[in-house]
Amino acid sequence: DARVTQTPRHKVTEMGQEVTMRCQPILGHNTVFWYRQTMMQGLELLAYFRNRAPLDDSGMPKDRFSAEMPDATLATLKIQPSEPRDSAVYFCASGFASPGLETQYFGPGTRLLVL
Amino acid sequence: AQSVTQPDIHITVSEGASLELRCNYSYGATPYLFWYVQSPGQGLQLLLKYFSGDTLVQGIKGFEAEFKRSQSSFNLRKPSVHWSDAAEYFCAVGPNAGNMLTFGGGTRLMVKP
Repeated sequence: DARVTQTPRHKVTEMGQEVTMRCQPILGHNTVFWYRQTMMQGLELLAYFRNRAPLDDSGMPKDRFSAEMPDATLATLKIQPSEPRDSAVYFCASGFASPGLETQYFGPGTRLLVL
Repeated sequence: AQSVTQPDIHITVSEGASLELRCNYSYGATPYLFWYVQSPGQGLQLLLKYFSGDTLVQGIKGFEAEFKRSQSSFNLRKPSVHWSDAAEYFCAVGPNAGNMLTFGGGTRLMVKP
């Protein structure tokens, strides 16, 4: 049963610390999405990769957030320095691009609390 | 611009009752439509999707949805709700300019015994 995995599942940190979240997409998928979910804003797209290349990161605060795909099996989302307003659940999703629109399969999320 | 509206933020139904969750979208062309479910503390799970063809789509867990172009709607239905269906449900439409999805705000379903 292929699924997207994310680590850590929970993270508590202090303001100013660096946070790194990792995602392993489903094997064979070539697109990866990072979302952030909060009560106030709902589900927001932060960044989107296809074939490891960033296609859109317009939803991401550039000064503190960065997203990379070092290889096809790993995507990372980094926050440096973290702030309390970054507290949220961060989801990774993967899909396979085909003519039209790929279906996105979501991981379980990383619940981040910045104190 | 694409948008998705889920008019009901919260819905409560009795176990065994029928369910309909509303989704209205704004999209300039033929949309791709999705319903996802999120159980507490979990990620989003795909329930069903509509790309083309038959406008009544069957999904997992006994859910179905009907695409009505004239009403710009893609409502989710289930004939008999189970307590385990209590969750948050998200409707999504795409592709947008970046070949991505636009999500609605979600509807939280509570099931009364």
